[in-house]
Amino acid sequence: DIQMTQSPSSLSASVGDRVTITCRASQSISSSLNWYQQKPGTAPKFLIYAASSLQSGVPSRFSGGGSGTDFTLTISSLQPEDFATYYCQQSYSAPFTFGPGTKVDIK
Amino acid sequence: QVQLQESGPGLVKPSETLSLTCTVSGGSISNYYWTWVRQPPGKGLEWIGYIFYSGSTTYNPSLESRVTISLDTSKIQFSLKLSSVTAADTAVYYCAYSTTWCGGCFDPWGQGTLVTVSS
Repeated sequence: DIQMTQSPSSLSASVGDRVTITCRASQSISSSLNWYQQKPGTAPKFLIYAASSLQSGVPSRFSGGGSGTDFTLTISSLQPEDFATYYCQQSYSAPFTFGPGTKVDIK
Repeated sequence: QVQLQESGPGLVKPSETLSLTCTVSGGSISNYYWTWVRQPPGKGLEWIGYIFYSGSTTYNPSLESRVTISLDTSKIQFSLKLSSVTAADTAVYYCAYSTTWCGGCFDPWGQGTLVTVSS
């Protein structure tokens, strides 16, 4: 199985801050990396696919980058509705695996 | 727009079989992958497996010996069965779907249903 790690596991930030989350795969996954946002008590929401492509309807302040084993999710200007947990996930090969999540909360 | 809704018992006894159904509305079952993902309380996400509309399945090896995913095209539903459950199987279970261009990209998801394994 491909193992996914994320850093940091949590972070505190203020509205308007630029936030970057890192995700690393245990082997090369090309650009087969997705990002999800999950708020308490709700299902994950699909944000970014193929490492850097924004899903329809996702605000442009979200961006993704990377390839191979190292990836990033950046929120350019944090908004109140962005406080949530973010998961990376590889879609390169089954079993599809998720990172442990990064919780973004209010400073 | 496709919407998914999970249903099934919220409480299952240890050693019994967990059975859940996902009902699809607003779309067809054809040409998509139909997925189950679970999330233990306070923990991360685990992909259980999926079924292609043709009926072929792929399961997570960690659960493969206990999992069956099936499709009922007439009812536009797909189901999950997990046998010999233990407390470790307590989780919110989500159904989701993905397209043929990215079988591992899950969108949209159902709202999830909590299944507790306890006697």
